[in-house]
Amino acid sequence: QTVVTQEPSFSVSPGGTVTLTCGLSSGSVSSSYYPSWYQQTPGQAPRTLIYSTNTRSSGVPDRFSGSILGNKAALTITGAQADDESDYYCVLYMGSGIWVFGGGTKLTVL
Amino acid sequence: QLQLQESGPGLVKPSETLSLTCTISGGSISSSSYYGGWIRQPPGKGLEWIGSVYYSGDTYYNPSLKSRITISIDTSKHLFSLKLSSVTAADTAVYYCVRGFYDYSGERPQNQFDCWGQGALVTVSS
Repeated sequence: QTVVTQEPSFSVSPGGTVTLTCGLSSGSVSSSYYPSWYQQTPGQAPRTLIYSTNTRSSGVPDRFSGSILGNKAALTITGAQADDESDYYCVLYMGSGIWVFGGGTKLTVL
Repeated sequence: QLQLQESGPGLVKPSETLSLTCTISGGSISSSSYYGGWIRQPPGKGLEWIGSVYYSGDTYYNPSLKSRITISIDTSKHLFSLKLSSVTAADTAVYYCVRGFYDYSGERPQNQFDCWGQGALVTVSS
């Protein structure tokens, strides 16, 4: 079964830039996987940041951006803020109605 | 404003069937471009896609759960439902319903979960 990979944890300094990635255990991620990114804080439902690779969801600041970098989907946060400290999840569409989530990245801002 | 709300028992006994309903308000799922989905998150763990049901009634399930899942839709009532049979403690989780939207026409094809419910905690315990 296909595994979607994410960095378990990452840290960034306030004001810094960080890129989180979303890959496949076998193969390359492309826009055909319609990668989406979600931000989740404890006790809250996930919030959609990016969908279909690089489209920001309504109300999401433009310091969040999505792309394909090499063979992975990527979420870049430019000018990190303290309240960006959250868990970030990606999900990939495998076709035939099937979605697979990555294991999530815990981002620390310090 | 589109809202999704999960409802159902918060406690289910082992070996029994978990049943949840997602009611949609302020919007629709009654179009071929929409589908309903279920996603769960065990305490302290990550998100897991459970399955989806399309306007047509077609269903798609996580292969690891497929033998125990039934997802159905009632477009006239703006709701869709999840049944998960033979539950164990490993099925204890927050269950989220989502509305999905896809459009493969045009220059920017898309497929996404465009709205999430707030989540419902279901505990499996005797």
